Amino acid sequence: GEDVEQSLFLSVREGDSSVINCTYTDSSSTYLYWYKQEPGAGLQLLTYIFSNMDMKQDQRLTVLLNKKDKHLSLRIADTQTGDSAIYFCAEKAYNTDKLIFGTGTRLQVFP
Amino acid sequence: DGGITQSPKYLFRKEGQNVTLSCEQNLNHDAMYWYRQDPGQGLRLIYYSQIVNDFQKGDIAEGYSVSREKKESFPLTVTSAQKNPTAFYLCASSPTGTGFSGANVLTFGAGSRLTVL
Repeated sequence: GEDVEQSLFLSVREGDSSVINCTYTDSSSTYLYWYKQEPGAGLQLLTYIFSNMDMKQDQRLTVLLNKKDKHLSLRIADTQTGDSAIYFCAEKAYNTDKLIFGTGTRLQVFP
Repeated sequence: DGGITQSPKYLFRKEGQNVTLSCEQNLNHDAMYWYRQDPGQGLRLIYYSQIVNDFQKGDIAEGYSVSREKKESFPLTVTSAQKNPTAFYLCASSPTGTGFSGANVLTFGAGSRLTVL
């Protein structure tokens, strides 16, 4: 079945780049997403990428997709304390509405 | 402003009681979803509805029930049959329903935290 995996924690110094990784198993995935969750709140969409792309950049965010290895990453440049949150990777297979979410990676940014 | 409203934000329940969590959206979205979030386990799908008067079980539907009588509303009832109901519950909606092959972007509510005493 479908499975999406992420490491649970990442700690970075303010100003450095953060890289959050995600692996998925469903080869029919068509869209892959990154969501951000701040403490006690719902999830906010950061960005998504179609499976025929290998990179997408949006200001400080860069998404890299390696479809062969089923690996997705989110790079945050110049990480700030306001970036501290849980980041969820999700995937959607072809012709379905359901998103499968990973366990989330808690990013902690220290000064 | 359009969005999803969940209520209550915090809820305490005694064992053996049913509780209902409210989810209302004014985005004119067809599809609505309920997820459960536990630490270290990510989001797990409880129920989803792609159209009014229809809904499907997700991965962990046991002990929960839903209804979709109106497009805007998708309440979740946590019944006494749910063995471990303490969790953070998230409602979401998306524009389209069955068979959509495009990007299905979910909009989430702020969540409801249920604690069983």
